[in-house]
Amino acid sequence: DVKVTQSSRYLVKRTGEKVFLECVQDMDHENMFWYRQDPGLGLRLIYFSYDVKMKEKGDIPEGYSVSREKKERFSLILESASTNQTSMYLCASSFRGTNGYTFGSGTRLTVV
Amino acid sequence: GDSVTQMEGPVTLSEEAFLTINCTYTATGYPSLFWYVQYPGEGLQLLLKATKADDKGSNKGFEATYRKETTSFHLEKGSVQVSDSAVYFCALYPSGGYNKLIFGAGTRLAVHP
Repeated sequence: DVKVTQSSRYLVKRTGEKVFLECVQDMDHENMFWYRQDPGLGLRLIYFSYDVKMKEKGDIPEGYSVSREKKERFSLILESASTNQTSMYLCASSFRGTNGYTFGSGTRLTVV
Repeated sequence: GDSVTQMEGPVTLSEEAFLTINCTYTATGYPSLFWYVQYPGEGLQLLLKATKADDKGSNKGFEATYRKETTSFHLEKGSVQVSDSAVYFCALYPSGGYNKLIFGAGTRLAVHP
């Protein structure tokens, strides 16, 4: 089975810190995605990548950046964490979209 | 643009009841359709999918049929269990080119003993 591993399940950071959320997949998928999930707002796409060193903005990229130096790893960066970035962050990968996405278990980030 | 509409929750059922969660979509061509399930504190898991009209996806007792004529992909299960309590997301992948999954808002299901 494809595995998507997010480095932390729970994270607490201080306002203004630079935060790195790591995601690794083990099935050579080209496509990787970062979402955030908030009550009442559903899943919102932050950034995605269709290839190494390639990145595209999603629906809510402000305050975030990403890095994809290797095919298997897609990192989400909060340049200066703020309390409104407290959320559940979900990483996903896919080979073809028609096969659907495989999601990681999520990282619940709290910014205090 | 393409979109997915799910019935609002929460849906509350007793164990062994019949479940239907409605999902309709708007899209051109023939999108692929999916149901995902999210258990508390977890990520989303693919539950089932269908890639062409009249296909039936099934898994773990859940079923959904791709109905092109009614642009629907309703999720059904004949007898729910307490362990089915979760949030269910309907999603579509548009046909053609580099696209992204489009998710519905999610429907919370609570099953009581």
